[in-house]
Amino acid sequence: LAKTTQPISMDSYEGQEVNITCSHNNIATNDYITWYQQFPSQGPRFIIQGYKTKVTNEVASLFIPADRKSSTLSLPRVSLSDTAVYYCLVGDGAGNMLTFGGGTRLMVKP
Amino acid sequence: KAGVTQTPRYLIKTRGQQVTLSCSPISGHRSVSWYQQTPGQGLQFLFEYFSETQRNKGNFPGRFSGRQFSNSRSEMNVSTLELGDSALYLCASSSGQGAVGYGYTFGSGTRLTVV
Repeated sequence: LAKTTQPISMDSYEGQEVNITCSHNNIATNDYITWYQQFPSQGPRFIIQGYKTKVTNEVASLFIPADRKSSTLSLPRVSLSDTAVYYCLVGDGAGNMLTFGGGTRLMVKP
Repeated sequence: KAGVTQTPRYLIKTRGQQVTLSCSPISGHRSVSWYQQTPGQGLQFLFEYFSETQRNKGNFPGRFSGRQFSNSRSEMNVSTLELGDSALYLCASSSGQGAVGYGYTFGSGTRLTVV
């Protein structure tokens, strides 16, 4: 499974757009890119998944360039409740397992 | 719909004992996977079951084992507990189809403390 690299932490303010970039240089052809959010003492929560270009849902957007060696999770107008750890994962259906990296600890300030 | 249920939520055990944790997946989900989360090692994959068969196993000693029943409920067992086994154990449920990672639903976990 491809390894991922993301910033350890980020700070933002309420109402701002937050972009978290993940590097995955060794991504394989069959790999999808998935983002999860985790609050303290809770299990991770699925946010979004994509393969290429742009994916958008009701909570976030995922931008994936043509070479797919990186991806950016975009959270529009964050609020205090978006303070959490965000994980970027890559993997295909064959492995049936999720390999979590260290994640990015996002702190949203008032 | 009901989420993933893990029991118990908290557990305290003594070194050398064994423990069994339970996970009830979302109705209709046939895949259950287990993860260990510690401050030092982060989230690490333990194993995954689909239709009662273990499809993948992480890099953990044989003291860690699991099984899945015909109703998709799963249990994991840790024998001869060590202090380092203290962790949050998370179970994730999915349909088992499609790209890995899509729509996994995690439970709130079982916090195991070994003393």
